[in-house]
Amino acid sequence: GQQVMQIPQYQHVQEGEDFTTYCNSSTTLSNIQWYKQRPGGHPVFLIQLVKSGEVKKQKRLTFQFGEAKKNSSLHITATQTTDVGTYFCAGPTSGTYKYIFGTGTRLKVLA
Amino acid sequence: EAQVTQNPRYLITVTGKKLTVTCSQNMNHEYMSWYRQDPGLGLRQIYYSMNVEVTDKGDVPEGYKVSRKEKRNFPLILESPSPNQTSLYFCASADSMNTEAFFGQGTRLTVV
Repeated sequence: GQQVMQIPQYQHVQEGEDFTTYCNSSTTLSNIQWYKQRPGGHPVFLIQLVKSGEVKKQKRLTFQFGEAKKNSSLHITATQTTDVGTYFCAGPTSGTYKYIFGTGTRLKVLA
Repeated sequence: EAQVTQNPRYLITVTGKKLTVTCSQNMNHEYMSWYRQDPGLGLRQIYYSMNVEVTDKGDVPEGYKVSRKEKRNFPLILESPSPNQTSLYFCASADSMNTEAFFGQGTRLTVV
């Protein structure tokens, strides 16, 4: 079946360093969403990308959707302790109404 | 306030004892889903519903049932829970599968 992998699985950074997580789908996604889950919390929507090659920015966060619509990335510039959490990519599967999440990247920021 | 409400938040039960986890949303959303979250596996969709009386299997439906008799409610039923269903469960709702999803607070289920 369709799979969405994220790398890395874990990342520890010093506060102020940059961070990137990559999302790779085995099939084309019509759109991709990113969610953040704080420790002990529930996933919270960050952004949605729809167009091939689309780039969107939210303050220190930059999101990119690949040209083939099979991969995406989230880049955080100058991480802060408030960025701690697990970041998930997600999207609807092709040809069905199912929704699939990536495996997630857990980010720890050391002050 | 727009929200998705799940109950209970925590549940410890014994193998084979039927249980229901409730989910309710107040945003008039059509698309609702149940997910389970296990370490290293992300969130996996159990069942989803496109609208009232329309439900379908996600990627891990075995051992679960759902119903959608009203638009706001989407309960998850475990007829005969087993230890491998110990997990963190989330309910979510959205206008459609192509829009932002709102998640409940989660239900941590332990089956002994």
